[in-house]
Amino acid sequence: DSGVTQTPKHLITATGQRVTLRCSPRSGDLSVYWYQQSLDQGLQFLIQYYNGEERAKGNILERFSAQQFPDLHSELNLSSLELGDSALYFCASRLGAGHGYDEQFFGPGTRLTVL
Amino acid sequence: AQTVTQSQPEMSVQEAETVTLSCTYDTSENNYYLFWYKQPPSRQMILVIRQEAYKQQNATENRFSVNFQKAAKSFSLKISDSQLGDTAMYFCAFDSTNAGKSTFGDGTTLTVKP
Repeated sequence: DSGVTQTPKHLITATGQRVTLRCSPRSGDLSVYWYQQSLDQGLQFLIQYYNGEERAKGNILERFSAQQFPDLHSELNLSSLELGDSALYFCASRLGAGHGYDEQFFGPGTRLTVL
Repeated sequence: AQTVTQSQPEMSVQEAETVTLSCTYDTSENNYYLFWYKQPPSRQMILVIRQEAYKQQNATENRFSVNFQKAAKSFSLKISDSQLGDTAMYFCAFDSTNAGKSTFGDGTTLTVKP
């Protein structure tokens, strides 16, 4: 158990819909990362937040947005869903902003299926 | 922008033997961090080993070691005495010290055969 929790574990929805994925980082970690992993593919970095502020942005679609709240949990919002958005979405947390040696701790992921 | 390349999509090894997974990266930075993560069939991502670029000594964690060649921008993972539990997808990752983003390779699926 990494200490990072993600809800829900599974999500099945239809095209055009909107969903929210939630992540709670490990106690004390200030950074939250979001990744997308399509079937048997690598991890695509989406976005990072550090202590409530957006820190880095990757290949995140305009239909996707995220935020980190004062209690440090984070939400990833996916809207106007398409079939190609079906993937495993990981959240990871780390202590620092990403300058240091600390590792990322990954949550178990949310499996999103768009029908 | 940084890129990470894992040129071996799939590999297999016999139990108790040694296998090396390759990773190359491209960056203009002088200091950065490199990681190998393991993703078993459970899909949970687990850190295997890490290396700081300015440290010349190769990192070692029990049966796992790396061969870090900074000039060649190469960061290979060696697994000694392979065990069935090592069967997983392995990802090489690059962390910039300047930007927050992490860049992952496409992964190598390793199968350890009994």
